[in-house]
Amino acid sequence: DAEITQSPRHKITETGRQVTLACHQTWNHNNMFWYRQDLGHGLRLIHYSYGVHDTNKGEVSDGYSVSRSNTEDLPLTLESAASSQTSVYFCASSAYTQLETQYFGPGTRLLVL
Amino acid sequence: TQLLEQSPQFLSIQEGENLTVYCNSSSVFSSLQWYRQEPGEGPVLLVTVVTGGEVKKLKRLTFQFGDARKDSSLHITAAQPGDTGLYLCAGASDYKLSFGAGTTVTVRA
Repeated sequence: DAEITQSPRHKITETGRQVTLACHQTWNHNNMFWYRQDLGHGLRLIHYSYGVHDTNKGEVSDGYSVSRSNTEDLPLTLESAASSQTSVYFCASSAYTQLETQYFGPGTRLLVL
Repeated sequence: TQLLEQSPQFLSIQEGENLTVYCNSSSVFSSLQWYRQEPGEGPVLLVTVVTGGEVKKLKRLTFQFGDARKDSSLHITAAQPGDTGLYLCAGASDYKLSFGAGTTVTVRA
């Protein structure tokens, strides 16, 4: 069965360190998205990609970067982790039309000390 | 900036009661989706509404899209403890989704 996976599921890091969160989908979807979820804010879009080598900034992109070298993967990098980036991060993917369902991964809980 | 406002933020009811969750926006969306999220998991799509005035039913859940395609509601009839979760609405535009902050629903047995 097709799926979307995230790793690690939990991560503790220190301020200033670089952190990379992995996202892998086997749906063969063109579109992939990264969100962060915080109490009172719902899901906020960090970065998104509509295909290989395409990346775009979302509403909360400062301090984050992504790269898309293949269809299946969209890793999210925190260049220099800050305590404000403590959050739950979700990756999602969808097919090429905007009416398509976004399929979400199980999330990565990140704590920056 | 939250484009979609959900109300109420929290809702706690007894099993068997009805509940309604609202999702309002000043923006027009091409479609509106409702997701349900359980603790420790990612959101899962419940329904997509596309046409203004559209009503969709999913067993005890009824979803309505406003005539102007700016607002939506989710009504649950005879709620059960299994309906407990975080309900999120999301508006679609340019292949992206903008989410509301969510409504946490707790159904007590």
